[in-house]
Amino acid sequence: DSGVTQTPKHLITATGQRVTLRCSPRSGDLSVYWYQQSLDQGLQFLIQYYNGEERAKGNILERFSAQQFPDLHSELNLSSLELGDSALYFCASSVGRSSGQETQYFGPGTRLLVL
Amino acid sequence: AQSVTQPDIHITVSEGASLELRCNYSYGATPYLFWYVQSPGQGLQLLLKYFSGDTLVQGIKGFEAEFKRSQSSFNLRKPSVHWSDAAEYFCAVGPGGSQGNLIFGKGTKLSVKP
Repeated sequence: DSGVTQTPKHLITATGQRVTLRCSPRSGDLSVYWYQQSLDQGLQFLIQYYNGEERAKGNILERFSAQQFPDLHSELNLSSLELGDSALYFCASSVGRSSGQETQYFGPGTRLLVL
Repeated sequence: AQSVTQPDIHITVSEGASLELRCNYSYGATPYLFWYVQSPGQGLQLLLKYFSGDTLVQGIKGFEAEFKRSQSSFNLRKPSVHWSDAAEYFCAVGPGGSQGNLIFGKGTKLSVKP
């Protein structure tokens, strides 16, 4: 158990819909990262938040957005969903803002299926 | 651009046999290197990491990896594989540019024969 929690574990929805994925980092960790894992793209970095502020952006679509709240939990919002958005979404956390040195601890993931 | 290549998509080894999973990276500076393992239905667990110093690093579950700068490689090894090692293994390099994120390889799925 990494200490990172993600809800829900599974999500089934229809195209065009909007969903929210939630992540609680390990106690004391200030950074939250979101990754998408799909069969064709592998593990792709989406976005990082550090202590409530957006710190880095990766291959995140404009239809996707995220935020980190004062209690440090984070939400990833996916809207206008398409079939291709079906994937496993991971949240990870680390202690600081990360220069790449820090260990990132991963949650169990949310499996999203868009029908 | 930074990248990580894991040449083997799927490897099958017999229980008790030795294991080596290959990882090659492309990176402009000294990389930070990681190996993660993902068991079915689970998140990623860190096996080991290399930042600097001794190029042979020890990790959990009896795994080790060796950083070879001249070959841009960071191969994962285990002398004797157990059935519980069956999983998918990911090599990663960080940071991704000025960001702190990790760049992952596509993964190597390990099957263990009894």
